[in-house]
Amino acid sequence: EVQLVESGGGLVQPGGSLRLSCVASGFPFSNSWMSWVRQAPGKGLEWVANIKPDGSEKSYVDSVKGRFTISRDNAKSSLYLQMNSLRAEDTAVYYCGRDTRGLDYWGQGTLVTVSS
Amino acid sequence: DVVMTQSPLSLPVTLGQPASLSCRSSQSLVHSDGNTYLSWFQQRPGQSPRRLIYKVSNRESGVPDRFSGSGSGTDFTLKIARVEAEDVGVYYCMQATHWPWTFGQGTKVEI
Repeated sequence: EVQLVESGGGLVQPGGSLRLSCVASGFPFSNSWMSWVRQAPGKGLEWVANIKPDGSEKSYVDSVKGRFTISRDNAKSSLYLQMNSLRAEDTAVYYCGRDTRGLDYWGQGTLVTVSS
Repeated sequence: DVVMTQSPLSLPVTLGQPASLSCRSSQSLVHSDGNTYLSWFQQRPGQSPRRLIYKVSNRESGVPDRFSGSGSGTDFTLKIARVEAEDVGVYYCMQATHWPWTFGQGTKVEI
């Protein structure tokens, strides 16, 4: 059974940092592109970033470039999203997923709230 | 960025009747490898999204055959042959041909 479990969300002040984690099981993680997608409260979906299986290529949506960093540890089947200089507009549920040019597996999401 | 435009934004449906959702892209979604990376996702209330269709018309494993996808180039459609109560939710199209991947704004299907 495929499982993706995100963690690390919470309340953070504007300008602060947070690191999200996603642990995967049930599929060959080390051979899979992975992505983060977010959803602001009551809003639609926004793709945030993705990473190649070996970590050598990473892509980001413009709104997070220079602030967010995606990374992975294949030995731990884990995906990460380091989020710095957080803004109120980063408030969202963050989902990790396997990216097969569209996410075929999704986690349950972790809520990030940026507020003073 | 490629803009994905869905219509309608809200779709009242009748159980047992068909439904049709539209998605248009601001540029062709045909990739240089010949594939068209257009997916459809369903998000039921309180749940994570779930992919129904990939590469325009391919159903994911376990997706009922009442769901079908069609289209080409910039114009795509998701059809539900006979709406069931469990189909209530928001449906998103997404393109993964051009960086960055982009989603449509969603169509809310309600009984």
